[in-house]
Amino acid sequence: DVKVTQSSRYLVKRTGEKVFLECVQDMDHENMFWYRQDPGLGLRLIYFSYDVKMKEKGDIPEGYSVSREKKERFSLILESASTNQTSMYLCASSFLMTDNTGELFFGEGSRLTVL
Amino acid sequence: DQQVKQNSPSLSVQEGRISILNCDYTNSMFDYFLWYKKYPAEGPTFLISISSIKDKNEDGRFTVFLNKSAKHLSLHIVPSQPGDSAVYFCAAHLYNTDKLIFGTGTRLQVFP
Repeated sequence: DVKVTQSSRYLVKRTGEKVFLECVQDMDHENMFWYRQDPGLGLRLIYFSYDVKMKEKGDIPEGYSVSREKKERFSLILESASTNQTSMYLCASSFLMTDNTGELFFGEGSRLTVL
Repeated sequence: DQQVKQNSPSLSVQEGRISILNCDYTNSMFDYFLWYKKYPAEGPTFLISISSIKDKNEDGRFTVFLNKSAKHLSLHIVPSQPGDSAVYFCAAHLYNTDKLIFGTGTRLQVFP
């Protein structure tokens, strides 16, 4: 079974703190993604990476950065957390989508609250 | 601009009856469409997909229909079960990219 593991299920941080969300996958997938889920807004793509040290901005990258030093690990960084970044963060991985259906495998999510 | 829309935020269906979840899209460059199911405090899980060259795909109780001329797809669940109660996301794969565009989700509640 594909396993995507997110390091923290629940976090509470203060405004201005630096926050790291870690994600590890064990299926040798090329692609890794960070989404956030908010009520009424669905899943919105923050950043994705198709290879080590490669990254591309998604639809809402402002206030976030990412790091992919190893193929299996993709980190989301909030340099200075703000209250509007309170959300459920979902990591996902997939094979390259050029010749498949684009199925993503998601982790269980990290619920971040910024006070 | 929302390229994938799920206009019904919620749906309530009696156990044993059919659940129909709808999704509309605007971009003709989508080549696959997928449905994901999400329980609270869990990540979404893949349910079923359909290629843009097909109009129907079936997997057990789940069937997805695609109407390309109307840019509309729907997920049918027959018969509905209480365990189907979850949020369902429609997603579309943009041709020749590694991107999925998700809809806003529909919360399905199946009551006894």
